[in-house]
Amino acid sequence: QKEVEQDPGPLSVPEGAIVSLNCTYSNSAFQYFMWYRQYSRKGPELLMYTYSSGNKEDGRFTAQVDKSSKYISLFIRDSQPSDSATYLCAIYTGGFKTIFGAGTRLFVKA
Amino acid sequence: NAGVTQTPKFQVLKTGQSMTLQCAQDMNHEYMSWYRQDPGMGLRLIHYSVGAGITDQGEVPNGYNVSRSTTEDFPLRLLSAAPSQTSVYFCASSGQGASYEQYFGPGTRLTVT
Repeated sequence: QKEVEQDPGPLSVPEGAIVSLNCTYSNSAFQYFMWYRQYSRKGPELLMYTYSSGNKEDGRFTAQVDKSSKYISLFIRDSQPSDSATYLCAIYTGGFKTIFGAGTRLFVKA
Repeated sequence: NAGVTQTPKFQVLKTGQSMTLQCAQDMNHEYMSWYRQDPGMGLRLIHYSVGAGITDQGEVPNGYNVSRSTTEDFPLRLLSAAPSQTSVYFCASSGQGASYEQYFGPGTRLTVT
């Protein structure tokens, strides 16, 4: 079993839709959870991070961690064509190591 | 600030050739790392460094060497290129206070024929 599992998609939604992106992980000791956004042929950029459980909101983006079910989510409200990208979940495991999900490709159609 | 820069952007090598991928950052970050990104595999850590003169292996280190003589630079050397090393390579850096918050370069697309 991989330490982080993420559905690669692609996920295609109309503009204005609410998008839900998800990952599952295996180790209940993990504490730092991140979401990176990667545009085509660019490097990943950190979108949000969450420490331990709960929600964190930043504009149209909400990151959610459910440690009881080892499930992390990213919600995008009022999605825009500019949100079209690959979204990678990531978990900082300590000792300067981060494990990444495979990424979900999102297309938002105008 | 330029952030993290990588050169070259693209490279084609023949099997058995060697080359160095360059990475530099101007944020005075202590931590630097190299990843490769393959379809369906996510980012996998090749090597990392926690400071000048200190490097360690990641998940997939075979066939690659690194050194770090300055805080700013962290080159990745392919010793004898193989087709299995065809990938997109990303360099990243992070600061001591937030080592989980990595800043990535634009990547180098490498093809080995």
